[in-house]
Amino acid sequence: GQQLNQSPQSMFIQEGEDVSMNCTSSSIFNTWLWYKQDPGEGPVLLIALYKAGELTSNGRLTAQFGITRKDSFLNISASIPSDVGIYFCAGVTQGGSEKLVFGKGTKLTVNP
Amino acid sequence: EAGVAQSPRYKIIEKRQSVAFWCNPISGHATLYWYQQILGQGPKLLIQFQNNGVVDDSQLPKDRFSAERLKGVDSTLKIQPAKLEDSAVYLCASSLNWASGTDTQYFGPGTRLTVL
Repeated sequence: GQQLNQSPQSMFIQEGEDVSMNCTSSSIFNTWLWYKQDPGEGPVLLIALYKAGELTSNGRLTAQFGITRKDSFLNISASIPSDVGIYFCAGVTQGGSEKLVFGKGTKLTVNP
Repeated sequence: EAGVAQSPRYKIIEKRQSVAFWCNPISGHATLYWYQQILGQGPKLLIQFQNNGVVDDSQLPKDRFSAERLKGVDSTLKIQPAKLEDSAVYLCASSLNWASGTDTQYFGPGTRLTVL
């Protein structure tokens, strides 16, 4: 089946630092999504990307849909303690029953 | 607006026992999803409903898992009999209409299942 390779697996940073994580796939996706999951909660959508090359921001978050449609990255600027959590990329498959395929997540720890 | 509700939040059972999870989607959402999230992994789609019909159940282990959404609103997911490898968080999500192409899925808090 389709798989997403998300990296890094975990990150430990100081408050105020910028963060970058990415997701790659051998398959093409129509849509790339970035979610954040806090402990004991379900994932919450942060940014949705619908077009190859698209660059979208949501506050301190910026994400891009790769030109090849096989990758995406998420940047977080000036990190704060509440950025702690697990960030997942997800791709929407093409054709037929379109469904979300999730990466394994990047666990972010922010030291105050 | 109320979010996706799930119950119970936690369940501990022994292998070979049965268990059921309940989900109440956001009001008006036609599409409902059940995901399995194993520790350290991203969610994996088990089954997708559009109203009370199944859209995709290709990754549902049908020998032990079943799900229904009889009236097109609430849904239940059942495991019978449970195996150790079923230990995971079971997430329910809903969306307005998956056929729109830019639909957003809203996730519930999940049910954490431990099989001993």
